[in-house]
Amino acid sequence: DGGITQSPKYLFRKEGQNVTLSCEQNLNHDAMYWYRQDPGQGLRLIYYSQIVNDFQKGDIAEGYSVSREKKESFPLTVTSAQKNPTAFYLCASSITLFYNEQFFGPGTRLTVL
Amino acid sequence: GESVGLHLPTLSVQEGDNSIINCAYSNSASDYFIWYKQESGKGPQFIIDIRSNMDKRQGQRVTVLLNKTVKHLSLQIAATQPGDSAVYFCAENGNFGNEKLTFGTGTRLTIIP
Repeated sequence: DGGITQSPKYLFRKEGQNVTLSCEQNLNHDAMYWYRQDPGQGLRLIYYSQIVNDFQKGDIAEGYSVSREKKESFPLTVTSAQKNPTAFYLCASSITLFYNEQFFGPGTRLTVL
Repeated sequence: GESVGLHLPTLSVQEGDNSIINCAYSNSASDYFIWYKQESGKGPQFIIDIRSNMDKRQGQRVTVLLNKTVKHLSLQIAATQPGDSAVYFCAENGNFGNEKLTFGTGTRLTIIP
């Protein structure tokens, strides 16, 4: 089956720790994205990548970092600098950047204890 | 700034009836629109999209209408089923894909058996 996967589904972090969220796609898509979803708000773009070894900051990149070493993978690290990291994180991919349907993964719920 | 919003945050519909979910957008340059469905704890699922050169597009049990004059988008779901209960949100981008998607906050649709 083609699709986009995220792991883990639930993640708990102590304050001051960095954590990395995994995102993998086998759709052969060039573009990948990370969004944050908070109750009552629309999805907000954290980082995006148009192609391997390239990525750009989105609207709320502070306290986050990404890498894109492989086309299939776009991991997100939530650093201790992110002041309010508890949220639902969604990874997505699309054939080309922005102008096509974005396919979403199942999400990772991060809770800071 | 530009925004995408929804007229109603919640909507309850009797099973078998039709439902209409509305979305207003403010960017007159928007030229691509998507409707997503999101069930609790899951990632958004693509429903249907429409480009600005169309005013109507139909899928299976769903129809999207675009009124560029008043910058309004709607999603019609015919013969609603219990599985249609979810949050629905619209997204738009403009400038032929040179802009990121802007997401609405969503409408929660509840199907009453």
